[in-house]
Amino acid sequence: GAGVSQSPSNKVTEKGKDVELRCDPISGHTALYWYRQRLGQGLEFLIYFQGNSAPDKSGLPSDRFSAERTGESVSTLTIQRTQQEDSAVYLCASSSSPGITGNTIYFGEGSWLTVV
Amino acid sequence: DQQVKQNSPSLSVQEGRISILNCDYTNSMFDYFLWYKKYPAEGPTFLISISSIKDKNEDGRFTVFLNKSAKHLSLHIVPSQPGDSAVYFCAATNSGTYKYIFGTGTRLKVLA
Repeated sequence: GAGVSQSPSNKVTEKGKDVELRCDPISGHTALYWYRQRLGQGLEFLIYFQGNSAPDKSGLPSDRFSAERTGESVSTLTIQRTQQEDSAVYLCASSSSPGITGNTIYFGEGSWLTVV
Repeated sequence: DQQVKQNSPSLSVQEGRISILNCDYTNSMFDYFLWYKKYPAEGPTFLISISSIKDKNEDGRFTVFLNKSAKHLSLHIVPSQPGDSAVYFCAATNSGTYKYIFGTGTRLKVLA
């Protein structure tokens, strides 16, 4: 597609339920990132995928969070047993040339998660 | 440890005047810097970038200045327009890696 596509755009879930957020990166982009922005805070790195390499999961806040990516296509971020502090906008981004000077990452519009 | 800092959470500027948004970083390994603009309910959009081999990059009304010795960069918007009202994030990376570290953002309000 022309841009990074995320779904759902909005999700309200009850505390304790599991949620899945989906990201479809820009076609041809090998690198995919997940970030989170909680209310009033900055962009928090969660996880990074590059091709078939092992993902960098260093930003995942707890073992309730996991993410998968099939090849260089769609990624799914899963939050198990959601808590109210998980309420945030989850942003996916992709790029074509990670690690190369001048590389830019492009964001989707985000998935707004509210845990009630 | 906040490696990229935007110390001003908000800024108000009159339409037509200059907006100056500031960003400081601590990691001397960073060599590429970006500014993103974010409207409510939308994802951040790329605005302008600068490599550490330069001290200035200009694109229309937007200019980014980099002071490596002070580990400081700034975004100038001239003239400011009401449509520029948004949250602006600066980001930094080491081009040998893939990690982009973002600041906490500055909310700019341009008053008509």
